[in-house]
Amino acid sequence: GAVVSQHPSRVICKSGTSVKIECRSLDFQATTMFWYRQFPKQSLMLMATSNEGSKATYEQGVEKDKFLINHASLTLSTLTVTSAHPEDSSFYICSAEQGSSNYGYTFGSGTRLTVV
Amino acid sequence: QKEVEQDPGPLSVPEGAIVSLNCTYSNSAFQYFMWYRQYSRKGPELLMYTYSSGNKEDGRFTAQVDKSSKYISLFIRDSQPSDSATYLCASSLAFSNFGNEKLTFGTGTRLTIIP
Repeated sequence: GAVVSQHPSRVICKSGTSVKIECRSLDFQATTMFWYRQFPKQSLMLMATSNEGSKATYEQGVEKDKFLINHASLTLSTLTVTSAHPEDSSFYICSAEQGSSNYGYTFGSGTRLTVV
Repeated sequence: QKEVEQDPGPLSVPEGAIVSLNCTYSNSAFQYFMWYRQYSRKGPELLMYTYSSGNKEDGRFTAQVDKSSKYISLFIRDSQPSDSATYLCASSLAFSNFGNEKLTFGTGTRLTIIP
């Protein structure tokens, strides 16, 4: 089945630094990947849609200059949290869909970001 | 009003009981409905999806959609402690062969099966 690998699973960084999170589709090509943010005991909030070879589409209220998305290839999308602040601490999850008859998006295992 | 509403629980039931999880949605244009299971500190995994109204069964799990009332249900029979997780319902407008259709999630219901 479709596998999406997300790395790192956990990261702690200092305020003001930048953190890069990688999302890879291991056994399929994904022209589109999605980035979500999840707060404790809350649902997944879509942050942006990552499109291979073009600019990402951000949801309303998401700062595109703060959350940089690069979809450099058909198997890799990255989310960079720039100038991180403690309020950016959250669980970030990516997903991709194989685009076959097996409908349903596959999610990465998530990245727990803690900004201190 | 959120497009997909879900009771966050928590819900605790004894092992072997039938579990009923429910969502309501407001966007009548939604066509596809999914249930995801999420274990603590992990990404969600797809349990089932259905198209339009109707039932779908997979082992101990049954998904039900009633578009007339905009109601989505997931039933778990013979519940096991390993079913303890957060269950998220999700909806989308259409199916995309290119995988670029957005999903709208409910809040998730935290379920605990008591041995």
